[in-house]
Amino acid sequence: GAVVSQHPSWVICKSGTSVKIECRSLDFQATTMFWYRQFPKQSLMLMATSNEGSKATYEQGVEKDKFLINHASLTLSTLTVTSAHPEDSSFYICSVRPGLAGVASYNEQFFGPGTRLTVL
Amino acid sequence: AQTVTQSQPEMSVQEAETVTLSCTYDTSESNYYLFWYKQPPSRQMILVIRQEAYKQQNATENRFSVNFQKAAKSFSLKISDSQLGDTAMYFCAFMRNSKLTFGKGITLSVRP
Repeated sequence: GAVVSQHPSWVICKSGTSVKIECRSLDFQATTMFWYRQFPKQSLMLMATSNEGSKATYEQGVEKDKFLINHASLTLSTLTVTSAHPEDSSFYICSVRPGLAGVASYNEQFFGPGTRLTVL
Repeated sequence: AQTVTQSQPEMSVQEAETVTLSCTYDTSESNYYLFWYKQPPSRQMILVIRQEAYKQQNATENRFSVNFQKAAKSFSLKISDSQLGDTAMYFCAFMRNSKLTFGKGITLSVRP
C-alpha cells in the first residue's frame, strides 16, 4: 500500500486563529486527495476533493472560505482551518488516490494517520 | 446519492470464534466498489478487504471474507478465528467515481 503522512499529528490552537494541516503522498504521485472529518465515535465525512492544479470541490454544507484547500503539487495538499472555533475541534484525515488509471489500486484510497485539532 | 447502513453499533466476540458484521447500501449504479476498513485505537484507517461489484465471486483475504449479495445490496464481513488485534471500529464503504461513502461503523471487541 501507499504511504501517506500528515503533519502535525495533533495541534491545539486558540479560537480565532488559523491552522494549516499538511497531507503528503510519500511514494507516488497523487492527482487527487480527499479530506475527511471525523468526530469521536462517528464515521468519516468527506469534506472536499482536492485536485492538483485546480480548485477543490467541496461537499454540501462545507464552507469553502473556512476550510481552504491547496493542492499545489502531486505530493502535497494542505487544509487550512481559518478563524477556528471550538466546534471545529475534530479529527481530520486525508487520503490519496494514485494517479495511474488502469492500476489495480486506482480505485483505492490510502489514508493518512490523521490530525487531531483542538480549538480552545 | 449513495447511502451505507451499518445497523449494529457494536459487537463482541470470543477470541478464536467467528463473527459477521453486516452492511447494506443503496445505489442506482451498477458499477461500483465496496470496502471494509478497520480503524484501531490509533485511528489509522486500514483497508481490510475490497469487492468489485462486477465480480460475482466473494473476496477473501486470509481470515477475512465477504458475502456480497448484489441484488440485495448487502455486503457483510466475516472474521474467522478472531484475534485480540481485531478489536477496532469497522467501517463499510461504497465507492463510485472515486468518492467514498462510509457507514456509521461498528465497534468490535474481541474477548480473551
